Amino acid sequence: DAMVIQNPRYQVTQFGKPVTLSCSQTLNHNVMYWYQQKSSQAPKLLFHYYDKDFNNEADTPDNFQSRRPNTSFCFLDIRSPGLGDAAMYLCATSREQGVATDTQYFGPGTRLTVL
Amino acid sequence: AQSVTQLDSHVSVSEGTPVLLRCNYSSSYSPSLFWYVQHPNKGLQLLLKYTSAATLVKGINGFEAEFKKSETSFHLTKPSAHMSDAAEYFCVVSVRSGGYQKVTFGTGTKLQVIP
Repeated sequence: DAMVIQNPRYQVTQFGKPVTLSCSQTLNHNVMYWYQQKSSQAPKLLFHYYDKDFNNEADTPDNFQSRRPNTSFCFLDIRSPGLGDAAMYLCATSREQGVATDTQYFGPGTRLTVL
Repeated sequence: AQSVTQLDSHVSVSEGTPVLLRCNYSSSYSPSLFWYVQHPNKGLQLLLKYTSAATLVKGINGFEAEFKKSETSFHLTKPSAHMSDAAEYFCVVSVRSGGYQKVTFGTGTKLQVIP
């Protein structure tokens, strides 16, 4: 089955220690998104890639970076995690950019704990 | 600009009774509207979407929603709740803006199903 895969499902890191979250997709979609979802809140878009073009949301902290080495993979790097970065991180994909009717397909998420 | 209001943060129903989750939106453009479901510690799964075709949209697991432009509403219903429906539900509005798909999530409604 075509899908969006996130690894690991649970990640524990220490305050200030860099961490990388991984997302891969077998849907061959052009667009990949990273969302942050804190407890009992709606997902918040951090950034997205259209192919190799990176699009950052205006209020995404510099502490968050992303890489997309190829169509299938996308990484979220948190350079110096703070306690406030503990959250569920969701990866999503869609077929094309700028199509309002396009469905976003979500992975299962990675729950990040910062000690 | 667009916004989504989910009128109830929590809804509690008895198993076998109808479900109504309310969503109102505002949008400067003709929107597409989505309902997603999120079970605990899982990613978001698409239930259904409205894309300017039929105003009554049927989704998975017996859910449906009706787009009412005059009321700017897109309420989610199900005739008979099942225990497995207990989850959080997000209403989402999507428009094309500046060449991008601009997606806005509601704050979510937690559905509790009582045996």
